[in-house]
Amino acid sequence: GENVEQHPSTLSVQEGDSAVIKCTYSDSASNYFPWYKQELGKGPQLIIDIRSNVGEKKDQRIAVTLNKTAKHFSLHITETQPEDSAVYFCAARSVNTGFQKLVFGTGTRLLVSP
Amino acid sequence: EAQVTQNPRYLITVTGKKLTVTCSQNMNHEYMSWYRQDPGLGLRQIYYSMNVEVTDKGDVPEGYKVSRKEKRNFPLILESPSPNQTSLYFCASSPALGLAGGEQYFGPGTRLTVT
Repeated sequence: GENVEQHPSTLSVQEGDSAVIKCTYSDSASNYFPWYKQELGKGPQLIIDIRSNVGEKKDQRIAVTLNKTAKHFSLHITETQPEDSAVYFCAARSVNTGFQKLVFGTGTRLLVSP
Repeated sequence: EAQVTQNPRYLITVTGKKLTVTCSQNMNHEYMSWYRQDPGLGLRQIYYSMNVEVTDKGDVPEGYKVSRKEKRNFPLILESPSPNQTSLYFCASSPALGLAGGEQYFGPGTRLTVT
């Protein structure tokens, strides 16, 4: 089945710096890759997603890139702010599970220091 | 307000005492799912349901049961809880998955401790 690896597990940056979180997936039939942000005491919330027919997607300060050949995708946050501090999860979904399962990475704790 | 609700939010119980965590969504979503979150392991799917009376196992179903008698509700049942089921549990819902995709909306979580 699908396996998603996520790195790093923790990331500390200064306010205004960029942050990059990377994920790799194993199932070449995966075609949907969302990123979720989990703030303390809350459930994960979708922040951006990308499909396999697109190489890059941007939404203000966040962007996601996808390299299907290498089977990896990354989340880029520019001009980080303290409110970006949270745990971020990547995920992947495959046609081999009938699109019914999201497999999550293990999460990255991002800390943005003022 | 569109939301997924879970109850209780916090629960401390003893080994073997049956419990139910409720989950309800008001978005008329077909798909619902339960996850557990453990440090270093991320979110792992326990069970999911594609519609009323249709449920299937996720990656870690042992020790859990679910039911989907109504579209809006998807309770998680632990018939005989054990300490290794101490975890943070999330319910999620989305429109029917498939090629069209479907953002999953998560509830606020239930922190369960089994002693």
